Amino acid sequence: EPEVTQTPSHQVTQMGQEVILRCVPISNHLYFYWYRQILGQKVEFLVSFYNNEISEKSEIFDDQFSVERPDGSNFTLKIRSTKLEDSAMYFCASTGLGNTGELFFGEGSRLTVL
Amino acid sequence: AQSVAQPEDQVNVAEGNPLTVKCTYSVSGNPYLFWYVQYPNRGLQFLLKYITGDNLVKGSYGFEAEFNKSQTSFHLKKPSALVSDSALYFCAVRDRENFNKFYFGSGTKLNVKP
Repeated sequence: EPEVTQTPSHQVTQMGQEVILRCVPISNHLYFYWYRQILGQKVEFLVSFYNNEISEKSEIFDDQFSVERPDGSNFTLKIRSTKLEDSAMYFCASTGLGNTGELFFGEGSRLTVL
Repeated sequence: AQSVAQPEDQVNVAEGNPLTVKCTYSVSGNPYLFWYVQYPNRGLQFLLKYITGDNLVKGSYGFEAEFNKSQTSFHLKKPSALVSDSALYFCAVRDRENFNKFYFGSGTKLNVKP
């Protein structure tokens, strides 16, 4: 069964460092998303991406965050200068063109900022 | 504004008893509604969805949910709980016309005791 894959599963970084989280969405999906979850709590929307551009972003997704799909398969989330409060589980998700589509989530990347 | 509410942070039920996890929503128009389950240190797994038609939808692992338009609710149910059902459950809603954003509830921790 096709799945969304995310790397790394866990990353530890120092405050102020840049971090790139990678995702390979399901191959025929067209809509891509990043969500984050702090300490097993609420799932917070960060950004959605379609047709090689951001289609919507939340207030959390400030200038420190960026996304891109450089090669048609990987979908990356970059945090330019990490802060302590960026420590969270980051989930990538994708969905297909069919307009009843549910989101398919990856297993997440745990980011720890020290 | 679009929103999803899960009024209970935690639900405790004995194994073999029926369970209900509540969800209400506030979305303009007719939404698509979803339930997801999250086991510890895992991504969100799709359980079931309501698109149209029969108000009672059946999903994975014996779960079902009832769409009630007048009460704007989409409660998750299972006739007989298992200890292995213990997990975090998220309700989500999406506007029919807008792929860009899925709104998630705050999550409900289900504890099933032997």
